[in-house]
Amino acid sequence: AQSVTQPDIHITVSEGASLELRCNYSYGATPYLFWYVQSPGQGLQLLLKYFSGDTLVQGIKGFEAEFKRSQSSFNLRKPSVHWSDAAEYFCAVAPGYGNKLVFGAGTILRVKS
Amino acid sequence: DAEITQSPRHKITETGRQVTLACHQIWNHNNMFWYRQDLGHGLRLIHYSYGVQDTNKGEVSDGYSVSRSNTEDLPLTLESAASSQTSVYFCASSSGTPETQYFGPGTRLLVL
Repeated sequence: AQSVTQPDIHITVSEGASLELRCNYSYGATPYLFWYVQSPGQGLQLLLKYFSGDTLVQGIKGFEAEFKRSQSSFNLRKPSVHWSDAAEYFCAVAPGYGNKLVFGAGTILRVKS
Repeated sequence: DAEITQSPRHKITETGRQVTLACHQIWNHNNMFWYRQDLGHGLRLIHYSYGVQDTNKGEVSDGYSVSRSNTEDLPLTLESAASSQTSVYFCASSSGTPETQYFGPGTRLLVL
């Protein structure tokens, strides 16, 4: 069965510092990969997605993610974090034959000033 | 962006009661999904539908049912609410495969 692992439950970074959130998946083929963000009390908003092609994808709010097939990873990065980035981030995977999403447990990002 | 509405946004009910959570999307997306979100588990798929009259069970479907009588709506019913079903429920929709899923604002359900 597919699974998604986000190893870090909580991460705290200083405002202006760089950020990397880790995501590893378990799946036999290359799945479709997504990062969503959830602000407190809100629904999920798509940050970026990877279907095929260039393995470095750009998203909204200055985020990017890199797909590494050899490591089964899709890590999310941002060069300079803003206080408004404090939220929970979810990595998700969809198999090529369908549209169901499997989510990781999420990483809560705290930004300190 | 797609717009999905969920109602109610908050619900308190008692064990054993039947509860229906509504989900409505305005974009005529074929695919609709229901997830529950619990601390430490991320979002888990309850039921999903790829079109009218089509429904499928997800990872955590026990105690839940859905019906799809039109394109815009996918109501989620808890046949006999249990305390274990206290959670935040999210509805999502997408237009195809693969496509981005757009999420509603969520319904917070408390079963006493």
